[in-house]
Amino acid sequence: DTGVSQDPRHKITKRGQNVTFRCDPISEHNRLYWYRQTLGQGPEFLTYFQNEAQLEKSRLLSDRFSAERPKGSFSTLEIQRTEQGDSAMYLCASSSRVVDGYTFGSGTRLTVV
Amino acid sequence: TQLLEQSPQFLSIQEGENLTVYCNSSSVFSSLQWYRQEPGEGPVLLVTVVTGGEVKKLKRLTFQFGDARKDSSLHITAAQPGDTGLYLCAGGSLTNAGKSTFGDGTTLTVKP
Repeated sequence: DTGVSQDPRHKITKRGQNVTFRCDPISEHNRLYWYRQTLGQGPEFLTYFQNEAQLEKSRLLSDRFSAERPKGSFSTLEIQRTEQGDSAMYLCASSSRVVDGYTFGSGTRLTVV
Repeated sequence: TQLLEQSPQFLSIQEGENLTVYCNSSSVFSSLQWYRQEPGEGPVLLVTVVTGGEVKKLKRLTFQFGDARKDSSLHITAAQPGDTGLYLCAGGSLTNAGKSTFGDGTTLTVKP
């Protein structure tokens, strides 16, 4: 297992465009998380899946954000009508138990111009 | 809302020096993790502590969980340039088993 994979690593998009990111977690991990991190800040929780069920979504997320995890395997995070404030590093993590901590991917750096 | 405050925000030291960074909260956590993050990469898990008063050692790094499970410290002995990075603490909630809350980190620079 090569760990958590995220694609793409970098994405530059124009304001108003839609973008989609993919995360492939460690295969044995049933928990998958999306976080967002801006410069000088720690990761901020966006949403959480246990298997294919989305169990929690941050109130910080607007309706422009949606995430899926079909069949409990990979996950996608879509941002519609991107805004400059969406520019950040989007991190995906997986775990088998919360107490074990997370394995993070390398992140997708989004720049909205 | 559970908040984790990390201090200091920035720390710059010479190779060979010792240092301690702190992670504090008014909330109780079921577990606490420390991560190290390098620029442009995701955080990498260093340790998880679960029991109040627990001490874990990882080579030159010593992690301690407060007795009340509200705070933690990370001590590095004889720091090396390879220790440079952003150190993040994260707490797992007692009431919400789904997510961890992160502090904003301590940026450590170790000069050769």
